[in-house]
Amino acid sequence: QKEVEQDPGPLSVPEGAIVSLNCTYSNSAFQYFMWYRQYSRKGPELLMYTYSSGNKEDGRFTAQVDKSSKYISLFIRDSQPSDSATYLCAPGAGANNLFFGTGTRLTVIP
Amino acid sequence: GAVVSQHPSRVICKSGTSVKIECRSLDFQATTMFWYRQFPKQSLMLMATSNEGSKATYEQGVEKDKFLINHASLTLSTLTVTSAHPEDSSFYICSASGGGGNTIYFGEGSWLTVV
Repeated sequence: QKEVEQDPGPLSVPEGAIVSLNCTYSNSAFQYFMWYRQYSRKGPELLMYTYSSGNKEDGRFTAQVDKSSKYISLFIRDSQPSDSATYLCAPGAGANNLFFGTGTRLTVIP
Repeated sequence: GAVVSQHPSRVICKSGTSVKIECRSLDFQATTMFWYRQFPKQSLMLMATSNEGSKATYEQGVEKDKFLINHASLTLSTLTVTSAHPEDSSFYICSASGGGGNTIYFGEGSWLTVV
């Protein structure tokens, strides 16, 4: 079983839509849950991270963790064309031990 | 915030030559650095993990003699692709941790083309 499963997409949504990106993981020891955004031909950039369970909100982005079901989500409200990128989830037991999902390619259509 | 810089961003080299890619943490001391490889439209593939002052730990299937990693200081790690071949052409990305928080920051990536 893979450590992290993420639907690669691609996912296309109209501008203004709410986007839901999801991952599942298998290791109950994971405490850190990162989301990275990668634009084409660029290195990934840290978007958000949460520790343990719960929600974290930052502007239009909300990260959600459900440790009981080993399910992590990233919601994007009022999506913009500039949000078009690949989003990678990365749970792990610590910063030195992250497991990256395959990434979901998102396109927001104007 | 913390910044990780990679250089060069693009490099073209001839088959059989070696090329070095640098990864620097600009405003924090990176006790651990990671090197990844990414093919177009594919996910990151971890190649190796390096801790400052010690030998790198390579992932299964990654040739340590071909991909030489040096982490001589807390702010610099280098990846040298030795005797490069066209199949080594890829996007190489480094990341670093150790900024005081439990996060990993990535460099901008380096495009290697071997002709």
